[in-house]
Amino acid sequence: TQLLEQSPQFLSIQEGENLTVYCNSSSVFSSLQWYRQEPGEGPVLLVTVVTGGEVKKLKRLTFQFGDARKDSSLHITAAQPGDTGLYLCAGALPNAGKSTFGDGTTLTVKP
Amino acid sequence: DSGVTQTPKHLITATGQRVTLRCSPRSGDLSVYWYQQSLDQGLQFLIQYYNGEERAKGNILERFSAQQFPDLHSELNLSSLELGDSALYFCASSVHPGTGRLNYGYTFGSGTRLTVV
Repeated sequence: TQLLEQSPQFLSIQEGENLTVYCNSSSVFSSLQWYRQEPGEGPVLLVTVVTGGEVKKLKRLTFQFGDARKDSSLHITAAQPGDTGLYLCAGALPNAGKSTFGDGTTLTVKP
Repeated sequence: DSGVTQTPKHLITATGQRVTLRCSPRSGDLSVYWYQQSLDQGLQFLIQYYNGEERAKGNILERFSAQQFPDLHSELNLSSLELGDSALYFCASSVHPGTGRLNYGYTFGSGTRLTVV
């Protein structure tokens, strides 16, 4: 059983569309991160959220941490081909430093 | 360039062989984490070192071992290699010690692609 479930697994959309991807768990996390990974490269950290209900924005990307700190969402407005990649969420359980990763959402944005 | 350096970038070896993957963490980071990424299993945590000491262990096989040296670089040793060990191996670093303080995320290297034939 995966600690973090990400959905959808695959998403293919047209340039300009909006989308939301989800990261869900039954566990409470002390912090949660979102990463983007491109083929052949390592994941790149996009954001860390630590407070329940927290919302962070990074240009066209909006990240939200659930009130109970068990889930998170990533919303992209007006997606662009450059947003294409594997989006990974990762959570750190209280008193456990290491991050556990979800399996990711593969996003393809077509021009 | 993330600041985390992994070598080699690609490695092709035969079953039964032993290889060593090397990682230099970002300047100032004391923690090093090793992850394995395969198509069917995603990013799996292997092991963490903090300032030379092992801090956390994941589903690391007994055939695998790692260490962190006084200059903070780390090596992951994979022995008696099997076809199923073919994967991307990532090293990540952070200032986080592994317990207590909040984990604000990692900086990953570009990985080593291991192919066992």
